[in-house]
Order: sequence, then C-alpha cells, then structure tokens
Amino acid sequence: NAGVTQTPKFQVLKTGQSMTLQCAQDMNHNSMYWYRQDPGMGLRLIYYSASEGTTDKGEVPNGYNVSRLNKREFSLRLESAAPSQTSVYFCASSEAPSLSSKETQYFGPGTRLLVL
Amino acid sequence: GESVGLHLPTLSVQEGDNSIINCAYSNSASDYFIWYKQESGKGPQFIIDIRSNMDKRQGQRVTVLLNKTVKHLSLQIAATQPGDSAVYFCAENYNNAGNMLTFGGGTRLMVKP
Repeated sequence: NAGVTQTPKFQVLKTGQSMTLQCAQDMNHNSMYWYRQDPGMGLRLIYYSASEGTTDKGEVPNGYNVSRLNKREFSLRLESAAPSQTSVYFCASSEAPSLSSKETQYFGPGTRLLVL
Repeated sequence: GESVGLHLPTLSVQEGDNSIINCAYSNSASDYFIWYKQESGKGPQFIIDIRSNMDKRQGQRVTVLLNKTVKHLSLQIAATQPGDSAVYFCAENYNNAGNMLTFGGGTRLMVKP
C-alpha cells in the first residue's frame, strides 16, 4: 500500500513551457487535492476534487488546470509556466465521502518545481 | 519582496523535555483541526486531529488542546525525541467549506540531544 504517490520528484522548466504533475492514490479515497508550498510557508490549496468527475478551485487556482482522470488519479497541469510557480507541489487525498464530511488528508512526497 | 513567510518561528527543546507548539486559528466557524508534521524534503504527515465539540484529545505521546474562546490550538509532545525535529503545521476546516483545509504558517521544532 503506497498511499499517495507523485511524479516527477523534481522538474526544471523554462518560462512558457508546459508540464503535467501526476498524482495517484491507492487508498480508494474519494477526494483529492493539489497544494503548493512556498519556502517557509504553509500549504495553499490550488484545486480539489471531491469525487470522480468533479473539480473545484481552491485558494490559488490561477495558472493551473486539473483533471480527475479516475478515482485513483488527479493531475495538475501548468500550461505556460512562470517563475512565480516555482514551488513544491503536494497532492493529498481523503476518504471524505461528501462535501460536508471532514476527513484527514494524507499527503504525497511532493514535486519540486523550478521555473527559470 | 515579502519575507514574512521565510523565517519560521522556532522552538528549541532538550531531548526528553516536553514541547508545546501553539497555533492561533483565524475563523470562529472552524470546527475541525489537524496537526501535521513535516520533515525536510517530505510531505506533511498526519499527527492528530480534533473536532470542535472536544477541548482535548490524546494520542501516543501527543496531546492537542483546543480553546475556542480565544481561537487557540496547541500540540503537546511528551518526552521529545530527536526524531520529533520537524516543522509542525496546524490546519483548520470551516464548517461550511467541505473538506477544504486552511494551513497556518508552521513552527520549526529543534530537539537538542
């Protein structure tokens, strides 16, 4: 049981390039999330998916798109990377069967992204 | 540029002592709180949670205290060990925000052997 896995671990991009960050969970969780973490700060929610087929914006969605491919996988895409998107990106999942329920979120190891 | 987030509050304790990490949360409507531990280069790891109908919850070597009157949360670690060295984050969930969490800025715990 690997929990939440993310690929790649590291990536360097040039301004304007695009890339997709992959996330998968094997806990049969309903909800999945993408966060970014800037140096010395807490996590900020980019997008989340309460269930397969649904996605919603979080606190900082600009410059990103997401796809909930199936129950296991939730990807984050940067269409045109900017230096301000240099950050560490974390994916998380939770059982949360509905929008009103509250369940612990479990995090992946992160993807470190540098945009030059 | 803004540097307020670059310098985490740091708590330095001696191995074996008890540690208390504090968090002031922002929304009086929050009703679910989680403490996470983050080691260098890793993702946040769940430690303990508490719902607003409780004021104390205990786990293995950890206790979370919730004071809703002053919107304050604390994490107590008993007999702190070198392996407890990490950054600790509190997170809150508003009662009308589904399962969306809002994270605090974090506190770095350093354990001296």
